[in-house]
Amino acid sequence: QIQLVQSGPELKKPGESVKISCKASGYTFTDYAMHWVKQAPGKGLKWMGWINTYTGKPTYADDFKGRFVFSLEASASTANLQISNLKNEDTATYFCARGGRQWYYFDYWGQGVMVTVSS
Amino acid sequence: AIVLNQSPSSIIASQGEKVTITCRASSSISSNYLHWYQQKPGAFPKLVIYSTSYRASGVPSRFSGSGSGTSYSFTISRVEAEDVATYYCQQGSSNPPTFGAGTKLELK
Repeated sequence: QIQLVQSGPELKKPGESVKISCKASGYTFTDYAMHWVKQAPGKGLKWMGWINTYTGKPTYADDFKGRFVFSLEASASTANLQISNLKNEDTATYFCARGGRQWYYFDYWGQGVMVTVSS
Repeated sequence: AIVLNQSPSSIIASQGEKVTITCRASSSISSNYLHWYQQKPGAFPKLVIYSTSYRASGVPSRFSGSGSGTSYSFTISRVEAEDVATYYCQQGSSNPPTFGAGTKLELK
């Protein structure tokens, strides 16, 4: 069955960096895009961008340009999200989500990673 | 960016009741690109309806969707206890993809 399994919760200080992983299984990794979605505590969903799992090319939403980096370990069917120079407002749960073949929906999701930024 | 206005923001319903959530877009969307998700407390979102009216795999028939242009709706024909969740609409018609603010469904 198709699964996206993400890494565990993180507690970081402002200014530090964090790297979150998302390991896919049950399908051909390079056939589907991988998206990243942020959910701040008690808030809604915000699309961060996506990475083309075939070419490795990332695309970032405007609010996520600069400190955010999407990358791949394609041989391990894994997508990564790195956030540098962490700020308090980065405290959130970060989901990876597989992009559907058409119509720009997200058909499978990881369980989410809670990143807490606190001094 | 296309703004999706969901209403109501919360619903309190009895088991067996019919509930409807609306999602209004700030610009017209192709119906192929309007989708609905269910997020239970403490869990990840789950795709429930894609392309306005198609149920995702394994989704019960009590869930349905309709709409066109700028106005879409999501209906649970008979609410069950397991349907307690927050529901989000999402559009993929225009970059960036955007979500509605969510509708929290609680049981009476």
